Amino acid sequence: GENVEQHPSTLSVQEGDSAVIKCTYSDSASNYFPWYKQELGKRPQLIIDIRSNVGEKKDQRIAVTLNKTAKHFSLHITETQPEDSAVYFCAGPDTGRRALTFGSGTRLQVQP
Amino acid sequence: DTGVSQDPRHKITKRGQNVTFRCDPISEHNRLYWYRQTLGQGPEFLTYFQNEAQLEKSRLLSDRFSAERPKGSFSTLEIQRTEQGDSAMYLCASSLAGTGIYEQYFGPGTRLTVT
Repeated sequence: GENVEQHPSTLSVQEGDSAVIKCTYSDSASNYFPWYKQELGKRPQLIIDIRSNVGEKKDQRIAVTLNKTAKHFSLHITETQPEDSAVYFCAGPDTGRRALTFGSGTRLQVQP
Repeated sequence: DTGVSQDPRHKITKRGQNVTFRCDPISEHNRLYWYRQTLGQGPEFLTYFQNEAQLEKSRLLSDRFSAERPKGSFSTLEIQRTEQGDSAMYLCASSLAGTGIYEQYFGPGTRLTVT
């Protein structure tokens, strides 16, 4: 099945700086990669996703890039704000291509 | 609220007791998933349904775990003879059905504590 590895495990940035979180995957046939944001005690919230037919997708301050050859994808957050502080999870299709396999998470802290 | 809902939000039980959790998906979503999340980890897939059919259950953690979706709407997850290692957040998610994988939306979870 799919194996998703995520780095770094923690990331601290100053407000206004950019943050980048990277994930690698093992199954070259994987075709869908979502990113979730989880605040303390709350549900994982889908913030952006990308399919394998595109290399980049943007939504305001958030972007995701995909390199199919290298089998990695990254989340980019620009102009970070304190409310961006949370744990971010990447994911890829599980065996069977219906459920998701999640990375281990990145705790992002934005210092005001 | 038209999102995924779960009940109860918190459950404290004694070891050996049975517990049941409920999930109500987004109304137009045919697929329903159960995940488990332990502290500091990402969600771990357990099982999923398309309508009332349970299409994947090999990932349930043991035969003490079972899930149902009798009418293709809400689902229940039951854990029998709970153990302390079952303490975790149990998350439900739903998505549209079709060819391939679609966006999954999570409920708030049920936090289980086994004492």
